[in-house]
Amino acid sequence: QAGLTQPPSVSGNLRQTATLTCTGNSNNVANHGAAWLQQHQGHPPKLLSYSNNNRPPGISERFSASRSGNTASLIISGLQPEDEADYYCSGWDTSLSAWVFGGGTKLTVL
Amino acid sequence: QVQLQEWGPGLLKPSETLSLTCDVSGVSFSGYYWTWVRQPPGKGLEWIGEINYRGTSNYNPSLKSRVNMSVDTSKNQVSLTLRSVTAADTAFYYCARVLRSLFGFDPWGQGILVTVSS
Repeated sequence: QAGLTQPPSVSGNLRQTATLTCTGNSNNVANHGAAWLQQHQGHPPKLLSYSNNNRPPGISERFSASRSGNTASLIISGLQPEDEADYYCSGWDTSLSAWVFGGGTKLTVL
Repeated sequence: QVQLQEWGPGLLKPSETLSLTCDVSGVSFSGYYWTWVRQPPGKGLEWIGEINYRGTSNYNPSLKSRVNMSVDTSKNQVSLTLRSVTAADTAFYYCARVLRSLFGFDPWGQGILVTVSS
């Protein structure tokens, strides 16, 4: 099943900004956007951003999302040690009539 | 608040049927779709399928031939069955609420590890 494409790893310096990307196509990201999830080791995923780029209640303003064409982005500002985690994008694929995930990006805070 | 809790056997033999249940509390069960997602240890997320209170379901095409989901609205439960399991089905299995208009899954249950081994 075709999914969304994410870089396996991204790193950023403490207190700096990291940008994570998620690439899809006209059947998913370009059409409906992408949601973003954060997963710490040993824990279930947690929703960080809806596909409309808004944050669920309780999510820090340091996490923001955007979309341009087939690519969605998660921008994490003021990187903190606790931001080290795996990040996944997800979306609805119209042609597959299925939810799809990216392969995940491991964020390292230096 | 909305809470989800998965439960079921954690160890299966090859060719057996996986059966898991998700208890939903703190929210109107009938207002949403509910989904199952799995994650092999150390790997990424894979969508299994979704179902609403009416029993309307959608499944991952790659698993469709082996998967069935059902709901028990009297108990606010969503169930998953996966037939003819192999070692490749070893994974953490999560249930989550689907926010369809926002294209997101929130919240998620804690997950349950299901191991398939002879």
